[in-house]
Amino acid sequence: DQQVKQNSPSLSVQEGRISILNCDYTNSMFDYFLWYKKYPAEGPTFLISISSIKDKNEDGRFTVFLNKSAKHLSLHIVPSQPGDSAVYFCAASGKKETSGSRLTFGEGTQLTVNP
Amino acid sequence: NAGVMQNPRHLVRRRGQEARLRCSPMKGHSHVYWYRQLPEEGLKFMVYLQKENIIDESGMPKERFSAEFPKEGPSILRIQQVVRGDSAAYFCASSPLYYASGPNTGELFFGEGSRLTVL
Repeated sequence: DQQVKQNSPSLSVQEGRISILNCDYTNSMFDYFLWYKKYPAEGPTFLISISSIKDKNEDGRFTVFLNKSAKHLSLHIVPSQPGDSAVYFCAASGKKETSGSRLTFGEGTQLTVNP
Repeated sequence: NAGVMQNPRHLVRRRGQEARLRCSPMKGHSHVYWYRQLPEEGLKFMVYLQKENIIDESGMPKERFSAEFPKEGPSILRIQQVVRGDSAAYFCASSPLYYASGPNTGELFFGEGSRLTVL
């Protein structure tokens, strides 16, 4: 039962252009959504998050959009830089009282930004 | 280094041996989570622990796998009688205890992982 899905295993964009990574979820009880970035042989690092009561959160070059009715979120990176090349994981968490900070992850999308 | 510390970073075992992976959470964090990443897959939740307590082990295989987080010392993920299918990267993450006020961003802080190879 894959509750968080990233349907694109890979994405390639040119430096300076926008990268859009997509994520769909099925569980309407999810309370928070997060994006993590992972380089090879390293652990995931937190990038940006959004509460289920919001529809947009922005942090520098990174913006996350949440469409609750469609159960869809996306991460926009603009402008994209070669250093952004990594695997990006979408993740979701439930209410802290019941699941702590347990996260459910998508399968990841490999982003390659070409110079 | 105040981050989540995992060791060993790499571990090679033969089928039937035992593997022990250790995780020290960030200072001040009282919750530990173990995740497994099989090749070409995402991170799968295994177990969530507080000190001396297993809170949620719904992602743990029923046999051969166990986890603990003692009052003193690191959290340990133990795999008995390893098989080739156990070869994976095992990530530990930690979080502080959130109560009442303050937002729960759901953020977990991950270690660099322990890569288990079973020959």
